[in-house]
Amino acid sequence: GAVVSQHPSRVICKSGTSVKIECRSLDFQATTMFWYRQFPKQSLMLMATSNEGSKATYEQGVEKDKFLINHASLTLSTLTVTSAHPEDSSFYICSASTSDSGNTIYFGEGSWLTVV
Amino acid sequence: AQSVTQPDIHITVSEGASLELRCNYSYGATPYLFWYVQSPGQGLQLLLKYFSGDTLVQGIKGFEAEFKRSQSSFNLRKPSVHWSDAAEYFCAVGSMNRDDKIIFGKGTRLHILP
Repeated sequence: GAVVSQHPSRVICKSGTSVKIECRSLDFQATTMFWYRQFPKQSLMLMATSNEGSKATYEQGVEKDKFLINHASLTLSTLTVTSAHPEDSSFYICSASTSDSGNTIYFGEGSWLTVV
Repeated sequence: AQSVTQPDIHITVSEGASLELRCNYSYGATPYLFWYVQSPGQGLQLLLKYFSGDTLVQGIKGFEAEFKRSQSSFNLRKPSVHWSDAAEYFCAVGSMNRDDKIIFGKGTRLHILP
């Protein structure tokens, strides 16, 4: 079945540095991918919609210059957290959907980011 | 406004007991409904989804959910829970357009008593 792979699953970085998280659709093409963020004990929050070949669409309150999204191909979207701060520590999850299986949405495994 | 409400933040049931997790939604278009489960430290796993047709849908791990349009609800049920069912459960609603975002409820954390 369709699989969405996310890498790295866990990353620790120092304050002020940047970290990149990759989201790949392994056996299907995804023109649109979504990036979510989850704070501890809270629900998922949509950050942005990643569109292949064009700029991402950010949700209100999400800093586009801080959370850079690039959707370079139909199978890869990346989220770069720039100038990371401890408050950026969170669980980031991507998703993509395929027209197979009734537009089912598949999620990546998620990436735990810890900024120290 | 589009929204998903899971009124119970925490639910505790004994192992072997039945379970029902509530979900109500508000959505302008024809809804496409999901239940996901998230175990500690892991990503989301799809339990089941409702697209159309039979309003009682069967999912993995023995879960089922019933879509009730008149009540705008999509409650998740399991007749007998196992200790491994302890996790966070998210109800979500989307549209049939594959490029539309989905909206999540705040989640219900399920605790299982031995």
